[in-house]
Amino acid sequence: GQQLNQSPQSMFIQEGEDVSMNCTSSSIFNTWLWYKQDPGEGPVLLIALYKAGELTSNGRLTAQFGITRKDSFLNISASIPSDVGIYFCAGPGSSNTGKLIFGQGTTLQVKP
Amino acid sequence: GAVVSQHPSWVICKSGTSVKIECRSLDFQATTMFWYRQFPKQSLMLMATSNEGSKATYEQGVEKDKFLINHASLTLSTLTVTSAHPEDSSFYICSGRTANYGYTFGSGTRLTVV
Repeated sequence: GQQLNQSPQSMFIQEGEDVSMNCTSSSIFNTWLWYKQDPGEGPVLLIALYKAGELTSNGRLTAQFGITRKDSFLNISASIPSDVGIYFCAGPGSSNTGKLIFGQGTTLQVKP
Repeated sequence: GAVVSQHPSWVICKSGTSVKIECRSLDFQATTMFWYRQFPKQSLMLMATSNEGSKATYEQGVEKDKFLINHASLTLSTLTVTSAHPEDSSFYICSGRTANYGYTFGSGTRLTVV
């Protein structure tokens, strides 16, 4: 079945540093979604990408939909302590049932 | 935006008892709700797709008699964990889908079975 491979699995960075994480797949996705999950909470949508090559920003966050439609990356600039959490990429599966396929997640820790 | 309210946020129950988790769409009609389970340090695993007015569709390996899903109205879907056992302890999350806001997730329910 379809899978999303997300990397890195975890990151431990210093406050103020930039962060980059990516998601790849062997199959094409027509939508890429990036979520953040705080401990004990549900995921919250950060950025949605709908078009190949699209580059979208949300504050300090920037995400791009790869040209091949098989990858996407998320960048966080000038990280702050509240950026701590788990970041997931996700995309609707090809079965047209509306099911979302999730990457394994990237756990981000920020040292003040 | 679309809001999904999930209750309870945490519950502790005795082994062998049943627990009901509710998800309500507050400002939109959710014809479809998705139920996920998440173990510590893992990603979300889809358990089932809940459709208003019809039977839920379960993912492979998920016991439909153990995880009862009811979606009786356009704003309420429930997941009942029947005869819970310690291995059912997990974080359960629901999600609704809207045309304008995509997928909106509830805040999750931490289930601990003792």
